[in-house]
Amino acid sequence: QVQLQQWGAGLLKPSETLSLTCGVYGGSFSEGYYWTWIRQPPGKGLEWIGEINHSGSTDYNPSLKSRVTISIDTSKNQFSLKLRSVTAADTAVFYCARVNCSGGFCYFDYWGQGTLVTVSS
Amino acid sequence: QSVLTQPPSVSGAPGQRVTISCTGSSSNIGAHYAVNWYQQLPRTAPKVLIYGNTNRPSGVPDRFSGSKSGTSASLAITGLQAEDEADYYCQSYDDSLSGYVFGTGTKVTVL
Repeated sequence: QVQLQQWGAGLLKPSETLSLTCGVYGGSFSEGYYWTWIRQPPGKGLEWIGEINHSGSTDYNPSLKSRVTISIDTSKNQFSLKLRSVTAADTAVFYCARVNCSGGFCYFDYWGQGTLVTVSS
Repeated sequence: QSVLTQPPSVSGAPGQRVTISCTGSSSNIGAHYAVNWYQQLPRTAPKVLIYGNTNRPSGVPDRFSGSKSGTSASLAITGLQAEDEADYYCQSYDDSLSGYVFGTGTKVTVL
């Protein structure tokens, strides 16, 4: 059974860099999947941030692209998110997830537990 | 930045059938991209309910079903149960944004 476990700092000041890591346990971390980050501001809906595959190829949400970097460490079965120059508007629960594209369509089949990141001075 | 529109809330009595609509456009659902549905219980991560428009993952009750037509999709819940009270999100891919998009979300209340 695949499990995603995420960690990182939960309280940041404006202008700092958000850094989260997601570890993948119990499943394949090799070819065939993309790994993604999604966020959810308190009381609001879900927003896709970006994704990465095992070879390091990335795609980002255009609205966040200038501030986001997603990286991967296949030796540790981990992938990470960095979001620069955060503001209060970046306060959200951040989720990591696996993108399953089998069958010709893509969906998020396994999710991390979520990390609340609060940006406050 | 939700480009898929859902009703904010739907409700029904136990045992009833409710449907949740998801309206997109020609750059996402209408561009033949699949629609997926997620259930989010309070204070938990979303869980996939329907993928590829109509498919249920193992373990999801057959009370949940999905459909798609044109630029819209729907999630139906039959035999509504108290445990179905949650937020539901549709999700697809958008050509204009070159990325995944979610619906605005619908809160289901069991009366």
